[in-house]
Amino acid sequence: DQQVKQNSPSLSVQEGRISILNCDYTNSMFDYFLWYKKYPAEGPTFLISISSIKDKNEDGRFTVFLNKSAKHLSLHIVPSQPGDSAVYFCAARYSSASKIIFGSGTRLSIRP
Amino acid sequence: DTGVSQDPRHKITKRGQNVTFRCDPISEHNRLYWYRQTLGQGPEFLTYFQNEAQLEKSRLLSDRFSAERPKGSFSTLEIQRTEQGDSAMYLCASSSHRGRATNEKLFFGSGTQLSVL
Repeated sequence: DQQVKQNSPSLSVQEGRISILNCDYTNSMFDYFLWYKKYPAEGPTFLISISSIKDKNEDGRFTVFLNKSAKHLSLHIVPSQPGDSAVYFCAARYSSASKIIFGSGTRLSIRP
Repeated sequence: DTGVSQDPRHKITKRGQNVTFRCDPISEHNRLYWYRQTLGQGPEFLTYFQNEAQLEKSRLLSDRFSAERPKGSFSTLEIQRTEQGDSAMYLCASSSHRGRATNEKLFFGSGTQLSVL
């Protein structure tokens, strides 16, 4: 029962272009969403988050969009840089007492 | 900022042996989480503590697994009678949780990679 789904295991984007990573969820009770980035042999690091009362949150090159009716969120990275090559995890929770549930990740590769 | 520290980084053990991992969270954080990650998958929730209280356990956490957080500081995760299927990266995370706020962020350690032969 995968409540947070990342259907693209990998994505390759040219340096300088926009990277768009997608995430779908099934639980309409989720009210907080996060994106994490993971390099090999390291733990995930927090990137950006969004509350369900918003539809967009921006932080520098990173923007997260939330479409609650479609139960879909996306992470936009622009412009993409070589250091952005990593695995990106989408995550969600539905209450302050609940665990954070992660998707299976998308491996982003930025090519020169 | 010392971050979340996990020990050991790698553990190789034989099937049937017991193993114990340690996690030291960021000092002011009151919540501590354990996750497990296998190749090609995202982190899977195992359990979490708020201070010393264990608030939730996943059904993934069989009776061979036990976690403790004495005095609400560091935590240990023990796996008894290890099986090859236990081979995974075990991740610890901590966070600062206040009231009913849902916008807490987890800070992860580098994990303990367990290999069961």
